[in-house]
Amino acid sequence: DAGVIQSPRHEVTEMGQEVTLRCKPISGHNSLFWYRQTMMRGLELLIYFNNNVPIDDSGMPEDRFSAKMPNASFSTLKIQPSEPRDSAVYFCASRPATKQETQYFGPGTRLLVL
Amino acid sequence: GQSLEQPSEVTAVEGAIVQINCTYQTSGFYGLSWYQQHDGGAPTFLSYNALDGLEETGRFSSFLSRSDSYGYLLLQELQMKDSASYFCAVRDLVRGSTLGRLYFGRGTQLTVWP
Repeated sequence: DAGVIQSPRHEVTEMGQEVTLRCKPISGHNSLFWYRQTMMRGLELLIYFNNNVPIDDSGMPEDRFSAKMPNASFSTLKIQPSEPRDSAVYFCASRPATKQETQYFGPGTRLLVL
Repeated sequence: GQSLEQPSEVTAVEGAIVQINCTYQTSGFYGLSWYQQHDGGAPTFLSYNALDGLEETGRFSSFLSRSDSYGYLLLQELQMKDSASYFCAVRDLVRGSTLGRLYFGRGTQLTVWP
């Protein structure tokens, strides 16, 4: 079975550019999570969807960040405009309704904003 | 708010036993999870405790004491491949929903020496 798929795996961009990160959750999972990991702040939850509906976006740093989940098999996290402090690894994770204690993480997108 | 405390580093030799402790403060506690993350990789689920006591899964065991807001991960018969970061995570409520989200600790870097 395919796990959580994220693209791109690596992204290098210049400050001020728009960045779009993509995630395909595991088929049949009904919850999707976007995390950011940095040395300074550790692993932080940015936003969480359940059945494609945003449930908790309190972790989204500011208005430059936005996330969408137009259907059960696709989500995007967009940063516009990007800043050097956004450099981090961004993970997407999904969770099945039948096993809510377990989250399955994708390989992550390593973002570097110059 | 939520806070989790775990040691930043632990070292041990192959074949030894190591215990990684985690204390937490949170509202609406549902359970304590443990995740493993190798350098450059995605966090992967190891175990979950919702009730007090010990859960055993092969060489790994996890313990929870809800009254003490404390848990630990016990790794036995250590192998070189166990060198990784280990995160405890508290499953919490989300704005009145029973679905729950995870708050992660900062992680414990385990180094296993030959």
